[in-house]
Amino acid sequence: DTGVSQDPRHKITKRGQNVTFRCDPISEHNRLYWYRQTLGQGPEFLTYFQNEAQLEKSRLLSDRFSAERPKGSFSTLEIQRTEQGDSAMYLCASRTGGQGESGTQYFGPGTRLTVL
Amino acid sequence: GEDVEQSLFLSVREGDSSVINCTYTDSSSTYLYWYKQEPGAGLQLLTYIFSNMDMKQDQRLTVLLNKKDKHLSLRIADTQTGDSAIYFCAVGGYALNFGKGTSLLVTP
Repeated sequence: DTGVSQDPRHKITKRGQNVTFRCDPISEHNRLYWYRQTLGQGPEFLTYFQNEAQLEKSRLLSDRFSAERPKGSFSTLEIQRTEQGDSAMYLCASRTGGQGESGTQYFGPGTRLTVL
Repeated sequence: GEDVEQSLFLSVREGDSSVINCTYTDSSSTYLYWYKQEPGAGLQLLTYIFSNMDMKQDQRLTVLLNKKDKHLSLRIADTQTGDSAIYFCAVGGYALNFGKGTSLLVTP
């Protein structure tokens, strides 16, 4: 399977704990995105990378959230001191680069986080 | 930011056509997308349309774009029970802005 993969698929944690999610994009895609989706809502943009550079962060990304893409391949999203409001599906997407902002984003299956 | 609006629910009978509508506020998007999400799963790209096109047909799917009214629609011909899912309209530049999704229920 050469699609976007995410790990783990499900994570249950207690409030105050730290969690880390991983995303492996499609291999030739140099742009990688993180979105968050809560129940009954569409995905909301969190941040994106072009290669290893983090180019944009949403206001939704509080200082408890940090994302990295150290070698321009896989990415990690860490949430420190989790809160119940962090419970959501965290989606990763990737696309090719190139001129302009066109290009289709392909999504992974998501990591569902439940904070107790 | 970008506002993307969709009706929340649609119910159709198997074999009928389904039409899902979307309106948006920002007209600078180069591409506009339709994604499908089944329960507990990620988003599957269905189709997209380039902003200088009025219509795109892809097998059972027809996308219509009215740029003047900032209206996008997705028509599914001969709707099947397997088409039951949530359908998202998405527009934007480097980051996509999604609607809340239209839940399509196909009844036998």
